[in-house]
Amino acid sequence: NAGVMQNPRHLVRRRGQEARLRCSPMKGHSHVYWYRQLPEEGLKFMVYLQKENIIDESGMPKERFSAEFPKEGPSILRIQQVVRGDSAAYFCASSSGSSYNSPLHFGNGTRLTVT
Amino acid sequence: GDSVTQMEGPVTLSEEAFLTINCTYTATGYPSLFWYVQYPGEGLQLLLKATKADDKGSNKGFEATYRKETTSFHLEKGSVQVSDSAVYFCALVSGGNTPLVFGKGTRLSVIA
Repeated sequence: NAGVMQNPRHLVRRRGQEARLRCSPMKGHSHVYWYRQLPEEGLKFMVYLQKENIIDESGMPKERFSAEFPKEGPSILRIQQVVRGDSAAYFCASSSGSSYNSPLHFGNGTRLTVT
Repeated sequence: GDSVTQMEGPVTLSEEAFLTINCTYTATGYPSLFWYVQYPGEGLQLLLKATKADDKGSNKGFEATYRKETTSFHLEKGSVQVSDSAVYFCALVSGGNTPLVFGKGTRLSVIA
């Protein structure tokens, strides 16, 4: 009965390094969403993926950020050449259909700290 | 674009007090409305939802009514407990493949 699994829970990177955040959706879910939460702020949408496809990446910064959801394996959010401003909690959510018709189930997040 | 505005926190209440957290929205079409709760160190959990005007969502003593005329979805609970201390997020989704849009969240602290 595993929910949405994210790892690592905490990630520390120095400026300029790469960060890889992983998300395994709930069993049977093929829709994945990534959100970013800055301290004392709400969740900001980043990207919406279905298996092997990016459906909506309107919230992703144009540079350094990328996401994938391969046919096999978890969804990956990749941040290249991290900067201090990337420090945040990154949440993944999954659903069995579009968010209009199917509730989102969230993971516990990855807290990225850039030093 | 779609947006959600929530009352700013933090909100501090004594146990058994009445809770209201205001939420208003701007959206095209007929959105579905949600309240999510986030406990410390955890992800968000769906608390309740309403999918059409005048619907009332309820769960764990919390309730909210979808008011189209005032574009509101205020969260209420008659008697809060210390265990209700968390951050509460109002959210909406307009339709199709649009993503869930969240408010900034309201932190609630309930003291014994």
